[in-house]
Amino acid sequence: GAVVSQHPSWVICKSGTSVKIECRSLDFQATTMFWYRQFPKQSLMLMATSNEGSKATYEQGVEKDKFLINHASLTLSTLTVTSAHPEDSSFYICSASEGNNPEAFFGQGTRLTVV
Amino acid sequence: DAKTTQPPSMDCAEGRAANLPCNHSTISGNEYVYWYRQIHSQGPQYIIHGLKNNETNEMASLIITEDRKSSTLILPHATLRDTAVYYCIVILTGGGNKLTFGTGTQLKVEL
Repeated sequence: GAVVSQHPSWVICKSGTSVKIECRSLDFQATTMFWYRQFPKQSLMLMATSNEGSKATYEQGVEKDKFLINHASLTLSTLTVTSAHPEDSSFYICSASEGNNPEAFFGQGTRLTVV
Repeated sequence: DAKTTQPPSMDCAEGRAANLPCNHSTISGNEYVYWYRQIHSQGPQYIIHGLKNNETNEMASLIITEDRKSSTLILPHATLRDTAVYYCIVILTGGGNKLTFGTGTQLKVEL
């Protein structure tokens, strides 16, 4: 099946710094990528949808200036958490879909801890 | 809001079949039923999907009612490694559609 690789799998950063998370589709072209956030004991919450070459569409309540998303190629999307604070500590997960296939392929997730 | 409802938790004895129900009474004709599971601290893993007919693969079986308003995921011989949160999601045909996750069912498989 299709593989989505997410990097890093975990990161610890100081408050006020920025962190970049990468999401790559390894064996298919991802026309659309999605970014989710998951707090402990909660479900996945969609943050934004990105289509290659265009601006991301953010869900209500998600600050686009804080969570910068770039989808510059059909195999790579990045999420940058800018000026991170402890409340941004969470599990971030990306997914990708290809063409007209409705199935989403998920990355393994990134555990972000802001200290 | 999620378009599916699932029981919050279920227990199953190892080796027995685990039957996980999902209600999707507002599903439309061009929406698939997908099942994913999430083992702690990992990304969701695809299990199976269907539109109208029952489906089976090496992991599970999916039974969809004739009116498509509900479905059941069956793990025929549950093992301890099947302990996870199981999500039932309806997805529009065609690509690029966002998934809305409900709360899922926490399945606990015990000896």
